[in-house]
Amino acid sequence: EAGVTQFPSHSVIEKGQTVTLRCDPISGHDNLYWYRRVMGKEIKFLLHFVKESKQDESGMPNNRFLAERTGGTYSTLKVQPAELEDSGVYFCASSQDERGGADTQYFGPGTRLTVL
Amino acid sequence: AQKVTQAQTEISVVEKEDVTLDCVYETRDTTYYLFWYKQPPSGELVFLIRRNSFDEQNEISGRYSWNFQKSTSSFNFTITASQVVDSAVYFCALNPYNTDKLIFGTGTRLQVFP
Repeated sequence: EAGVTQFPSHSVIEKGQTVTLRCDPISGHDNLYWYRRVMGKEIKFLLHFVKESKQDESGMPNNRFLAERTGGTYSTLKVQPAELEDSGVYFCASSQDERGGADTQYFGPGTRLTVL
Repeated sequence: AQKVTQAQTEISVVEKEDVTLDCVYETRDTTYYLFWYKQPPSGELVFLIRRNSFDEQNEISGRYSWNFQKSTSSFNFTITASQVVDSAVYFCALNPYNTDKLIFGTGTRLQVFP
């Protein structure tokens, strides 16, 4: 079974440009999450989809970030326009509903974004 | 406040040594979940263990063992007879009650030398 995949693995852009990150969850997983790790700090939650609906977007830093999950399959995270502080590693995770408690989230390899 | 602290930034050991990675968490919830993930050089976060707050039994999986102590709000991870392949960054995470977001610590980088 394929794990969570993310594309691209690396992206280097200039300040002010737009970047779109893609995440393909594990097949059959309704839950999809985005997280971000900035410069050696902790990994921070951005948002959570259940199928195509945003369940929790409390971690999105500002309105330059737009996440979508049309059709409830893969998800995209667009940053427009990118700023220097957006540099970091963006992780995607997916999970299936587990009765009786918190789901186990399975993570992808991340996309390393560098904004110059 | 809900928080996870991994006070050890980096640990270096020689192969076959035992090593313990510390994790201390803060939450007011009585129901919560704790996780450990491993991030090898390839970058992905690999799930290691999930533990709920009502299960304080220690767990052993091969060379890995976990010690959950609610009294000290700790969920420590021990690798016995470490190997070079154990070299990675290890993250502890808290999943509070009624939410699906993970709260991570800053990670501990473990280097195992031959």
